[in-house]
Amino acid sequence: QQPVQSPQAVILREGEDAVINCSSSKALYSVHWYRQKHGEAPVFLMILLKGGEQKGHEKISASFNEKKQQSSLYLTASQLSYSGTYFCGTVGNEKLTFGTGTRLTIIP
Amino acid sequence: NAGVTQTPKFQVLKTGQSMTLQCAQDMNHEYMSWYRQDPGMGLRLIHYSVGAGITDQGEVPNGYNVSRSTTEDFPLRLLSAAPSQTSVYFCASSSQAGGPVETQYFGPGTRLLVL
Repeated sequence: QQPVQSPQAVILREGEDAVINCSSSKALYSVHWYRQKHGEAPVFLMILLKGGEQKGHEKISASFNEKKQQSSLYLTASQLSYSGTYFCGTVGNEKLTFGTGTRLTIIP
Repeated sequence: NAGVTQTPKFQVLKTGQSMTLQCAQDMNHEYMSWYRQDPGMGLRLIHYSVGAGITDQGEVPNGYNVSRSTTEDFPLRLLSAAPSQTSVYFCASSSQAGGPVETQYFGPGTRLLVL
């Protein structure tokens, strides 16, 4: 079952902050975050592991609440290059399942 | 390293035709997977493999076959193409065997149109 992402789309002005949420109905071992530019392949941003270990990007942070089975991605002081569609992915039974995505548009 | 490569980049098929989408990686990754991407549906897992000789089904396996005879290659076969299989197909690989916990490296994708 796919994790649920919110919001589905968001438009920001350059320099503003954004939060993208991801929730699952299943217990989570880890959460992945990827960004996809139009016409390109998804690119890795971050992995959050059960127990709090976090790997990833300098200017983008995330949280992982294991009990609530939720993760949030925080983009601060957004730049034009942050535009794209963000996907969270959850791992279970050897499978990585992605959400339906959040389209982020940054305008000057 | 070339990373993950996919061929062809674009393909047009007629209903009922068969074809194979190629995926190869040169990073000695054990875990490989195929996803399809449709508007509004995100990335949906078709099949995956935890190593040579081992494959399993994902969320949407119907109409697709896979095999993994080598660590490097993971082809996806469409047995009898249908318009519902029109999509963009991505292959991905990671170094973690037995679980996709590590970073997934995606290929550039194959855009398939079935008429």
